[in-house]
Formats: sequence, structure tokens, C-alpha cells
Amino acid sequence: GAVVSQHPSRVICKSGTSVKIECRSLDFQATTMFWYRQFPKKSLMLMATSNEGSKATYEQGVEKDKFLINHASLTLSTLTVTSAHPEDSSFYICSAIAAYNSPLHFGNGTRLTVT
Amino acid sequence: GENVEQHPSTLSVQEGDSAVIKCTYSDSASNYFPWYKQELGKRPQLIIDIRSNVGEKKDQRIAVTLNKTAKHFSLHITETQPEDSAVYFCAAPQGRDSWGKFQFGAGTQVVVTP
Repeated sequence: GAVVSQHPSRVICKSGTSVKIECRSLDFQATTMFWYRQFPKKSLMLMATSNEGSKATYEQGVEKDKFLINHASLTLSTLTVTSAHPEDSSFYICSAIAAYNSPLHFGNGTRLTVT
Repeated sequence: GENVEQHPSTLSVQEGDSAVIKCTYSDSASNYFPWYKQELGKRPQLIIDIRSNVGEKKDQRIAVTLNKTAKHFSLHITETQPEDSAVYFCAAPQGRDSWGKFQFGAGTQVVVTP
């Protein structure tokens, strides 16, 4: 149980375009999902907390207008990287929890390359 | 907020030997400590976790110990195998007002040589 699916796994886009990444909880409902960014050989950096039906909470230093998060249902959160630039190239991972006090489960990640 | 430090950053072990990774945390109210294993280009996978009401938990070759007084917890891998090679992350809750928000350690690159 507690499977989190993320799509796409890889995406290459041109500078200035926008990219949408989807995160789905497949066998449970997730009122809260989290989005992380991971640089090569580095730890997971929390970008934002995505709450179903309300605005996301962004961590300090993360531009909310650049990284748009939508959590329209209990099983789907999306991250849109707007007007992407090469410095946005990274590994983006989502995670979700099934219930309070339950473990955190991660999606398979999205490798974004902006050319 | 919670501060998590993880050591060592890299660990090379001979196949069959044991590996130990240690993490310290700052918030004495933290009560849940998971360990994740991440292979290159893949998702972090939960391998074991411990709650603050116990001092040790085992799952086959993997164990986690917790010292609440000293505010540190450790991952122990016995009889290491090449497939144990990966990056391991510890984590601790980042706040008291919500669940799921974790502070992760910097990671330990474990290399098991045959």
C-alpha cells in the first residue's frame, strides 16, 4: 500500500516554457503532499507543502509564482515550473502521507532539464 | 525548527562487514525518525523507522537505535551486500503543528565492495 506515482519521470523543455509535473496517491487519499527539489549528490530540499483545497505553503526562498502548486483533489497534486530556465534543471520529487502519524512515501521523481 | 546532522557523508565497507550511520537532532519533542535509502536516479524508499517510545527496532539485517537523552539515532546494517550500496537519509519531524514535514540529513553514500 501507500503508492505514490509521479509523472513524467523525465522531461526536457526549452527556456521560457512551462512544465507541469503530476503527483498521485494511487491507493490512498492524501490531504497533504510535499514537493522537494534535489540537486546532484545533495539532500532533499523541501519546496512547499500542498494542501487539498487550499493554497500551498512555500518554504523560505522558494518563489511561489515560479513554482505553482495545485492540489485539486485528495489524490492529485501538480507542480508547474513556469517560464523555466536552465537553473531550474533538477530532480523534483513529491511525497505524501496517508494519515496523521503515518510514514512519508515518495513519488518516483521527475528529472527536469531546461535547455 | 529541527536541525538534523548526519555522519559520515561517505562510507566504504567490505561485503559482509557492518555499516553504521549516525544522526543527531535538536528538537527534544521529536518523536519519529525514519531512514530512507535512495539509489541513483530513484525515489527515496523507507527502509525502517522508529518512534520515541522504543530504543531499538530491527528488520532482518537492518536496525535502528534511538537515544532520546543524547538526541541521536543510528542506522545499523549487518552483513552488508553490494545491493546495499546507495545513499541513506535520516529524517526528523520539522515541526509540531503538522505531520509529514521532515528535516532530512545530508545523506550518507554507502559503497559496499565485494
